[in-house]
Amino acid sequence: DIQMTQSPSSLSASVGDRVTITCQASQDIRNYLNWYQQKPGKAPKLLIYDASYLETGVPSRFSGGGSGTDFTFTISGLQPEDIATYYCQHYDILPYTFGPGTKVDIK
Amino acid sequence: QVQLQESGPGLVKPSETLSLTCNVSGGSISSNYWTWIRQPPGKGLQWIGYIYSSGSTNYNPSLKSRVTISVDTSKNQFSLRLSSVTAADTAVYYCVRGRGGDGYNLDHWGQGTLVTVAS
Repeated sequence: DIQMTQSPSSLSASVGDRVTITCQASQDIRNYLNWYQQKPGKAPKLLIYDASYLETGVPSRFSGGGSGTDFTFTISGLQPEDIATYYCQHYDILPYTFGPGTKVDIK
Repeated sequence: QVQLQESGPGLVKPSETLSLTCNVSGGSISSNYWTWIRQPPGKGLQWIGYIYSSGSTNYNPSLKSRVTISVDTSKNQFSLRLSSVTAADTAVYYCVRGRGGDGYNLDHWGQGTLVTVAS
């Protein structure tokens, strides 16, 4: 299986801050990467697919980039409603695997 | 808007079989990849497997010997069976629609149902 790692595991930032999360794959996954947001007690929500494409209806302050083994996810202007855990997921080969998550909090 | 809803027992005894059903509304099950994902309490997400409406399946090798996913297109439902469960199978189980080849974009999720394995 392809192993996914994320850093940091958690972060605390102020409203309006730019927040960046990194995701690394154990082998080249081209751009076959998704990002999800999971709020406490809720199901995950797809935010970004193909590493950098915004899902319909997702605010433009969310963005993604990267290819190969190294990827980034950015919130450009953190909002209180962005408090959540964010997961990356590869889909280069089956089985799909997820990163361990990054918990984002407000300072 | 497609909606998914899991149903099934919240408590299963060790060594028995976990059975869940997902009801799909607001769209036909006769396309896309219908997927099960699980999340142990306080932990990350694990892809269990999918079924396509044709009946073709793909499972996580780590669970393959114990998992069966089936579909009933007449009822717009799909189901998960996981045999010989242990405490390690305690998790929130989500049914999910997968969009794209092999259902790789998990774009519609059920609310999840907690299944506890305990005697």
